[in-house]
Amino acid sequence: GDSVTQMEGPVTLSEEACLTINCTYTATGYPSLFWYVQYPGEGLQLLLKATKADDKGSNKGFEATYRKETTSFHLEKGSVQVSDSAVYFCALRDFGNEKLTFGTGTRLTIIP
Amino acid sequence: DAGVIQSPRHEVTEMGQEVTLRCKPISGHDYLFWYRQTMMRGLELLIYFNNNVPIDDSGMPEDRFSAKMPNASFSTLKIQPSEPRDSAVYFCAALGDRANYGYTFGSGTRLTVV
Repeated sequence: GDSVTQMEGPVTLSEEACLTINCTYTATGYPSLFWYVQYPGEGLQLLLKATKADDKGSNKGFEATYRKETTSFHLEKGSVQVSDSAVYFCALRDFGNEKLTFGTGTRLTIIP
Repeated sequence: DAGVIQSPRHEVTEMGQEVTLRCKPISGHDYLFWYRQTMMRGLELLIYFNNNVPIDDSGMPEDRFSAKMPNASFSTLKIQPSEPRDSAVYFCAALGDRANYGYTFGSGTRLTVV
């Protein structure tokens, strides 16, 4: 079945540091890939997505590239801010299936 | 658009009591999902509906859990009787814009069963 494996946290970085959160997936079909972000006390929000190989999703300075050859979708940001502190979830949705499969989430804390 | 609205935001109840969680999805979004989030298990899909019809309830943990969607603007998740291990944050999510595959989540209901 489908599964998502993401980097275990928690991750703590200083402001303006570079961020990478690893995500790899297993899917029976040809999935779409997503990153969601959850701020404290809130629901999940879609951060970015990619629907086919080599697509790059981007939003709020975050980027992730759909790598079919390595079945990966790593989240990156060149310079993090305190406001980026949140839990980040990698997810996939297989073609023809409305359900999202989530990773376990990575808690990110940015210190000033 | 007010987004997906869940109520209550917090619920504390005693073991054995019935608990009802409510969700008002976004108008026109024809899929609705119920998730449970815990530290131990992360996000778990409990059940989802399409056009008010339950499609997959394989994630519902036990017969104590039931969900309904009587119309396009309202859904409930009921736990009867509740147990301490049901303590979690329960999220409702809607999917309408299938081209963009964007789920919209509610803010969740934090349930504590004592």
